[in-house]
Amino acid sequence: DGGITQSPKYLFRKEGQNVTLSCEQNLNHDAMYWYRQDPGQGLRLIYYSQIVNDFQKGDIAEGYSVSREKKESFPLTVTSAQKNPTAFYLCASSRREGYDTQYFGPGTRLTVL
Amino acid sequence: GQQLNQSPQSMFIQEGEDVSMNCTSSSIFNTWLWYKQDPGEGPVLLIALYKAGELTSNGRLTAQFGITRKDSFLNISASIPSDVGIYFCAGDNSGGSNYKLTFGKGTLLTVNP
Repeated sequence: DGGITQSPKYLFRKEGQNVTLSCEQNLNHDAMYWYRQDPGQGLRLIYYSQIVNDFQKGDIAEGYSVSREKKESFPLTVTSAQKNPTAFYLCASSRREGYDTQYFGPGTRLTVL
Repeated sequence: GQQLNQSPQSMFIQEGEDVSMNCTSSSIFNTWLWYKQDPGEGPVLLIALYKAGELTSNGRLTAQFGITRKDSFLNISASIPSDVGIYFCAGDNSGGSNYKLTFGKGTLLTVNP
């Protein structure tokens, strides 16, 4: 089945540690996105990538880093510089032609202790 | 950045009732999307609207792209318990230049059986 997978579903880390969240898609989409969701809030864009080996900062990129070495994969690293990393993280992808129709993965809930 | 004002923030209704929610913006949008998010899951696309004045249905859901291009509404008819979740509007006002969507903060829908 085609879709977007994120792993793991739940992740716990100690304060001060970097952590990498996985996002893989087999939809042959060019564009991929990372969002952060906090309770009662909408989705805020962290980073996005329109094509392999290229990515742009979103609205809240500080304390995060990404890479896009393969079309299918767009991992997000939450660094120790992110002041409030506990949140629900969502990955999405879209075609370039239909870029506006984004499809989401199931999300990863990160808790930093 | 751009903001979408989504209302109401939450709704408590009885099974069988109709529901209406809307999104407004101070700027023109080229595309409006409506997503539903179940607890702990990623948002799922319900309806996409691409033309001012467009009215689109998906089963018991109906959404419209406002004629001014600054608003959209979503109606759910004859609600059932599985309609429970958070409904997000999203829009694009970049004209296709930057692949980014703006999201509303969501409407939390509770349906009492």
